[in-house]
Amino acid sequence: KAGVTQTPRYLIKTRGQQVTLSCSPISGHRSVSWYQQTPGQGLQFLFEYFSETQRNKGNFPGRFSGRQFSNSRSEMNVSTLELGDSALYLCASSLGWGDGTGELFFGEGSRLTVL
Amino acid sequence: AQSVTQLGSHVSVSEGALVLLRCNYSSSVPPYLFWYVQYPNQGLQLLLKYTSAATLVKGINGFEAEFKKSETSFHLTKPSAHMSDAAEYFCAVSEGGGYSTLTFGKGTMLLVSP
Repeated sequence: KAGVTQTPRYLIKTRGQQVTLSCSPISGHRSVSWYQQTPGQGLQFLFEYFSETQRNKGNFPGRFSGRQFSNSRSEMNVSTLELGDSALYLCASSLGWGDGTGELFFGEGSRLTVL
Repeated sequence: AQSVTQLGSHVSVSEGALVLLRCNYSSSVPPYLFWYVQYPNQGLQLLLKYTSAATLVKGINGFEAEFKKSETSFHLTKPSAHMSDAAEYFCAVSEGGGYSTLTFGKGTMLLVSP
């Protein structure tokens, strides 16, 4: 069974640009969450989607957005990039929202560098 | 609001020695607790989880953790460290009830020397 797939794995952008990251969950998983990982702040929750609806959102500015498609694949977008957005962005999937396990399966991440 | 505190950003042990990584949590509801491991340039892998069943939880690679409600702790242990255990370890808490949003600790880097 294939794991969570994130693309691209590495990317470099400049300040002011925007970026879109993609995540394909494990087959059969309907919930997708996104986390930002930085050396200073650690792992911080961005948002969670289930059935194409955002179910929960972390404390990030509106420049960070996401969506989920009918096949459960998800994308997140960051507009007007700032230097502080440089981070590893991790996607995680789970069977479903409220599935009783709380267990997440993580992808390898997309490492974004903003110059 | 829930939170997780991991004591010690770095822990060094010798190969064959006991591994003890500390995690304390706060939660307003009975928590679900997790330990994840992250190897360089990789995502997080679940080691073990506590979901209100047995208080002593066994995970992969010989790791285990004990839930102690009175101490609000969920420390991770392994009797004998291997070189391959060198990685960063994260403790996390969710509100339970199946909610997937995790609050993570800052992580503890485990260093294993020969």
